[in-house]
Amino acid sequence: NAGVMQNPRHLVRRRGQEARLRCSPMKGHSHVYWYRQLPEEGLKFMVYLQKENIIDESGMPKERFSAEFPKEGPSILRIQQVVRGDSAAYFCASSHTGQGASLEGYTFGSGTRLTVV
Amino acid sequence: DQQVKQNSPSLSVQEGRISILNCDYTNSMFDYFLWYKKYPAEGPTFLISISSIKDKNEDGRFTVFLNKSAKHLSLHIVPSQPGDSAVYFCAATGNQFYFGTGTSLTVIP
Repeated sequence: NAGVMQNPRHLVRRRGQEARLRCSPMKGHSHVYWYRQLPEEGLKFMVYLQKENIIDESGMPKERFSAEFPKEGPSILRIQQVVRGDSAAYFCASSHTGQGASLEGYTFGSGTRLTVV
Repeated sequence: DQQVKQNSPSLSVQEGRISILNCDYTNSMFDYFLWYKKYPAEGPTFLISISSIKDKNEDGRFTVFLNKSAKHLSLHIVPSQPGDSAVYFCAATGNQFYFGTGTSLTVIP
């Protein structure tokens, strides 16, 4: 039973290009979360999705960032026209139950390290 | 607006001794508190949790203590082992998870 799978592990983009980060949740998990970790900072919530629905995007930057979790296939975090400040580790997590109160926690993927040059 | 704070960015402990990692929070409505462990180039892994109605939860060498009046929780690792060297994040849940900034623990053999 594979865990949360993220790809690519490392992604290098030039300023102005688009970055697409993929996340396949654990089998049986229908809730997906994206977090960003900037250098020297903790994990910052970005967005929470269920299949075909964005439930909470309160942590998403207003421009250039979007996320989807289609009926078939992985969840995608898309960053358009990347800038140097987007360089960070992006982690995806999944859970069996919905966001919030849980003693089980989330299962995290190994992350995608985005470098914008 | 950091609702969960870990004020010590790093901690070094001798093997065999106790490691104490601390975490403070601001929202008294949080329901659950969790600790995650993270190795370099890997995602965080769930370690231990505690409900807000309890003040202690123990799992092997790991014990989490919750002091609600002080809005403070701590993770005790005893005895500490070199393999415990990692970054530890505390998290609190209400309608979403809030993570602290992490404490890097180094256990010296």
